[in-house]
Amino acid sequence: LAKTTQPISMDSYEGQEVNITCSHNNIATNDYITWYQQFPSQGPRFIIQGYKTKVTNEVASLFIPADRKSSTLSLPRVSLSDTAVYYCLVGDANTGGFKTIFGAGTRLFVKA
Amino acid sequence: NAGVTQTPKFQVLKTGQSMTLQCAQDMNHEYMSWYRQDPGMGLRLIHYSVGAGITDQGEVPNGYNVSRSTTEDFPLRLLSAAPSQTSVYFCASSFSGGSTDTQYFGPGTRLTVL
Repeated sequence: LAKTTQPISMDSYEGQEVNITCSHNNIATNDYITWYQQFPSQGPRFIIQGYKTKVTNEVASLFIPADRKSSTLSLPRVSLSDTAVYYCLVGDANTGGFKTIFGAGTRLFVKA
Repeated sequence: NAGVTQTPKFQVLKTGQSMTLQCAQDMNHEYMSWYRQDPGMGLRLIHYSVGAGITDQGEVPNGYNVSRSTTEDFPLRLLSAAPSQTSVYFCASSFSGGSTDTQYFGPGTRLTVL
């Protein structure tokens, strides 16, 4: 199973850029990398997904090096409302991606 | 669209009681799954289904049963509740379950077993 490793927690201040790196050494050729965000007392929600190089949307950017063994979620100019847990996921290609593995995630705390 | 709905929002059980957590989605998704999340922890997959009539086990299936008689519904049954099953339970769905699919999560059911 393709598992991921992320920092347990990070602190930041409002207005700063935050980069959260995820390691996934066993990523399979057909796997995509997906990031979710979870606020307290809510279910996770999709942020961004990518396969290689760089992906950007209105919320974040995702940087993936050529070897795809890691990825970095970049949140530009964070605000207090970005305080949440961020999960990096890699689909399990052995079962067609059905057995999604959530790690412990990274708890981001944004301070004023 | 209501998305993914879960009932109840909160539940307290005594050890040994049984109950069913309900999950429904109105997006015509084939893939549905159940996760549990213990305090301060990530989500762990309990069971999943790739379509009506098809279910399979996830990481932590013991003590739970599922069935999928319709595309819309995916109930989770606790056969004999134990304090170790105190957790928040999330149901999720996606179009086909592939690693590129976005999963949509319900609001969760907070279960306490005394």
